[in-house]
Amino acid sequence: QKEVEQNSGPLSVPEGAIASLNCTYSDRGSQSFFWYRQYSGKSPELIMSIYSNGDKEDGRFTAQLNKASQYVSLLIRDSQPSDSATYLCAVGGSQGNLIFGKGTKLSVKP
Amino acid sequence: DAGITQSPRHKVTETGTPVTLRCHQTENHRYMYWYRQDPGHGLRLIHYSYGVKDTDKGEVSDGYSVSRSKTEDFLLTLESATSSQTSVYFCAINPGQGSYEQYFGPGTRLTVT
Repeated sequence: QKEVEQNSGPLSVPEGAIASLNCTYSDRGSQSFFWYRQYSGKSPELIMSIYSNGDKEDGRFTAQLNKASQYVSLLIRDSQPSDSATYLCAVGGSQGNLIFGKGTKLSVKP
Repeated sequence: DAGITQSPRHKVTETGTPVTLRCHQTENHRYMYWYRQDPGHGLRLIHYSYGVKDTDKGEVSDGYSVSRSKTEDFLLTLESATSSQTSVYFCAINPGQGSYEQYFGPGTRLTVT
């Protein structure tokens, strides 16, 4: 059974700080990795995808992938109160589906 | 929102009744998915479709069936609803072109009493 693990949090950071969210996965053959943001009562929203080892930056977001360590992370720079949400890590599955972690709740304090 | 709608958005039903949830997309994407989201479990795949009349089971398919008679519609049916099927149901699409990216509909909150 393929698994994706995340710390459930809550992770609390002050406004303007860097938030660091982490994820590990069990299937060494996984090739695609995603971060979704989910506000309370809303649907998941794709914010980052990464396929190769290293860093991928998009605005204030940086995704980091280390396939040898089976580890994916998301950094949010200059965190804003509007970033407060649950962040879901997902890994591509064999059926074309995504396997999700349970999510990390982030709270950004003004 | 990737042109995905779900209906109904909220439903309360009684144990033992059949329930059908609808997912509608406007972009003619081939791949569609149904997930359920529950506290402590995250999002789990119920069924998926890779074309008209082509469907397959996911991780938690027991008690659910699906149909796809048109590209734009993917229906999820709870044959005889149970309280354990109280959940939020999300439909998702994959735009294809070799990508695993998925985009989600707004969700349906189902309560089985």
